[in-house]
Amino acid sequence: DARVTQTPRHKVTEMGQEVTMRCQPILGHNTVFWYRQTMMQGLELLAYFRNRAPLDDSGMPKDRFSAEMPDATLATLKIQPSEPRDSAVYFCASGTVPGRGTEAFFGQGTRLTVV
Amino acid sequence: GENVEQHPSTLSVQEGDSAVIKCTYSDSASNYFPWYKQELGKRPQLIIDIRSNVGEKKDQRIAVTLNKTAKHFSLHITETQPEDSAVYFCAAPNQAGTALIFGKGTTLSVSS
Repeated sequence: DARVTQTPRHKVTEMGQEVTMRCQPILGHNTVFWYRQTMMQGLELLAYFRNRAPLDDSGMPKDRFSAEMPDATLATLKIQPSEPRDSAVYFCASGTVPGRGTEAFFGQGTRLTVV
Repeated sequence: GENVEQHPSTLSVQEGDSAVIKCTYSDSASNYFPWYKQELGKRPQLIIDIRSNVGEKKDQRIAVTLNKTAKHFSLHITETQPEDSAVYFCAAPNQAGTALIFGKGTTLSVSS
């Protein structure tokens, strides 16, 4: 049963610290997304990649967030420096062109708490 | 896609009743409309989807209807059960057709 794997599942950090979240997409999926879930905003699209190339990161605060895909099996989302307002659940999802009618498969998420 | 509005934000029903959640989208070129269910503490998972060439699709107790003229689509759950309690998200493609934009979610509570 192929799944998107995210680590860590939970992260508590102090304001100002760097946070790195990792995602292993499903093998064969060429599109990887990062979403942020909060009560107020629901699922916000932060950034996504197609064949490892960044397609759009307009949803991401550029001054502190960065997303990379160093190889086909790993996507990372970094926050530096972290702030309390970054506290949320961060989901990675992968698929093959979900915008054209195929499913986006979500990982279990990383619950981030910045204190 | 691009802008997806979802209503209501919360919905409480009695077991056995029907539940309806509605979404509107802004991009008339959108052609794919999935619904995801997220149980407490779990990941969102696809439960049903519809493409623009059909007006309705059913899968047991759930159905989705699409009105392309009015640019809205709805999720219908009949004979609700306590295990239907979850957050439901609608989605539509962004303008480029490269990603899904989600509504803000509906928290459905089914009481027995």
